[in-house]
Parts: sequence; C-alpha cells; structure tokens
Amino acid sequence: NAGVTQTPKFHILKIGQSMTLQCTQDMNHNYMYWYRQDPGMGLKLIYYSVGAGITDKGEVPNGYNVSRSTTEDFPLRLELAAPSQTSVYFCATSGVVGEKLFFGSGTQLSVL
Amino acid sequence: AQSVTQPDIHITVSEGASLELRCNYSYGATPYLFWYVQSPGQGLQLLLKYFSGDTLVQGIKGFEAEFKRSQSSFNLRKPSVHWSDAAEYFCAVGEDTDKLIFGTGTRLQVFP
Repeated sequence: NAGVTQTPKFHILKIGQSMTLQCTQDMNHNYMYWYRQDPGMGLKLIYYSVGAGITDKGEVPNGYNVSRSTTEDFPLRLELAAPSQTSVYFCATSGVVGEKLFFGSGTQLSVL
Repeated sequence: AQSVTQPDIHITVSEGASLELRCNYSYGATPYLFWYVQSPGQGLQLLLKYFSGDTLVQGIKGFEAEFKRSQSSFNLRKPSVHWSDAAEYFCAVGEDTDKLIFGTGTRLQVFP
C-alpha cells in the first residue's frame, strides 16, 4: 500500500520562483492537510481540506495556495518563494475527524 | 487559546532506563490527545491516542500514556528504553474539529 506519497523529497528554489509540492493518497480519505515543520517549532498547519472542492486556511497560510480537485490529490503551491519558506513540508490524511493522521515522508525545501 | 506544551526540548537516557516525556495542554473541553514519533528523515507515526474511557492508554512499541485531567497532562512513558527509540516525539491535541495542534517536540537520545 502506497499510503500518502509526497514528491519531490528534496528541492532547492531560488527566491521569487514558484513550485508545487505534490501529495497523493490512495486510502480514500476525505481529510487532507499540509504542515510545515521548522526546527524547534513543531508542526504548523498551512492548509487543510475536508473533501474534494473544499479547502480552508490553517495557522500559517500566507505565501501558499492549495486546490483539491480530486479526493486523491492535494497539491501545495508556493508563489514567489521566500527564504522564510525553507522548511520540511508534510502532507497528511485522515479518514475521520479526530482520528489519527497518516503522514507522507516529507519534502525538504530550501529557498536560497 | 488552545496550546500544547512539551517542556523538554531534548532528553538523554541510557538504554534500559525508564522514560517519561511530558505534555501539557490548554483546551476548552476534553480534547483528543495523541503522541507521534518521528524518526530521522521520516514522516510521523502514531504511537497512541486518547479519546475517552480508561485514562491509561497503551500504544505501539511498548509505550503508554496517562491522561490526567486535573493536571491537563498527557505524559508518555516507557519502562525500558531501547536504542531504536531515539527519535523526535510530538504530542498533539485536537477537538471535534479538522485540525490538530502539535507541540514543539522532544528529541530523545539514547546512550548504550
């Protein structure tokens, strides 16, 4: 079982460039989340989705956009990348609110 | 405001010693409580969770946690630590909503 798949695993961006982090799940989960993990800061929720066509902001949404056209995919878009967006990004899913999250293996992004 | 505090940033124990990782939360109602473990370069894996019922919860890998409402705590314990337990541990809380709040993590180092 693939579970939650994130691509790429590593990426380096130049300041001002844009890119999309991909997240795909094969568990038919309705809930999907994007977190960023900064050292000493724990995980912060960027955006989340409760189903196809529905997205909402989390704690730190500025500089990011998401879409959810299918149940399986929840891409995270960075526009005009800034050094402050250097982080490790985790996509996660859950089948039911309050139930455990299934995490992808993360994308390590550096903006230089 | 809701919050999660993991007071210990870094803990070092000897293999075979007992372990307790602290987690305190501030929440309006009885939340869902989770402990996740993150091995280097990996996503997060659920160790255990508490929703209701018995306040002592058993998890995977020999871990347990106890919910103490009077202390707003959900400390993680293990009677005998193994070298493979070296990792980052995150406490998380959530209500009947779509989002979890994560603590800043505790890094566990195990000496032989």
